[in-house]
Amino acid sequence: DTGVSQDPRHKITKRGQNVTFRCDPISEHNRLYWYRQTLGQGPEFLTYFQNEAQLEKSRLLSDRFSAERPKGSFSTLEIQRTEQGDSAMYLCASSLEEIAGVRYFGPGTRLTVL
Amino acid sequence: GENVEQHPSTLSVQEGDSAVIKCTYSDSASNYFPWYKQELGKRPQLIIDIRSNVGEKKDQRIAVTLNKTAKHFSLHITETQPEDSAVYFCAPLREYGNKLVFGAGTILRVKS
Repeated sequence: DTGVSQDPRHKITKRGQNVTFRCDPISEHNRLYWYRQTLGQGPEFLTYFQNEAQLEKSRLLSDRFSAERPKGSFSTLEIQRTEQGDSAMYLCASSLEEIAGVRYFGPGTRLTVL
Repeated sequence: GENVEQHPSTLSVQEGDSAVIKCTYSDSASNYFPWYKQELGKRPQLIIDIRSNVGEKKDQRIAVTLNKTAKHFSLHITETQPEDSAVYFCAPLREYGNKLVFGAGTILRVKS
């Protein structure tokens, strides 16, 4: 299945630990998004990159969350000092600048914080 | 910010019947209107979208209609099949916007 890939697919961690997720977008896509989805809810916007620049970050995102896209290709999302409320599916998506919206989501990383 | 509501939250139909899901939004600057389908445990999948200069768009058994004056758009699925069972999300977007705001979703169950 070509397209957006994410690693790992599942992560179980203990409260207080740091975790890092990786997203590899479709190669020619210059836009990359991170969303979070909890059970029974729609995806919630976290942050967005155009090339290597982080252009928008949700106000819901605490200082414990940080995302990078150092060379404008893959991106990482780090959560420091995880809390049980961080348990969710973390979805990455990519798109081309000239096309509206988000067309391609990755399979997601399911985080469980014990 | 954008306020998005979907109705109904759950919809059960008999196989072969039609299903309609409505999405109401608040931002009058929205001009791109997609619908996503998400099967259990899988990623959201864009199934149809429409821009504000078009009132209706159809792709085989699915269609989207837009009423920009009333600020709502609807997903229509005809001749429903069991594989249409999923959660459907709308996510209106404003021009030059980058932040899709998803509705809470509609669970569609197609009974065979």
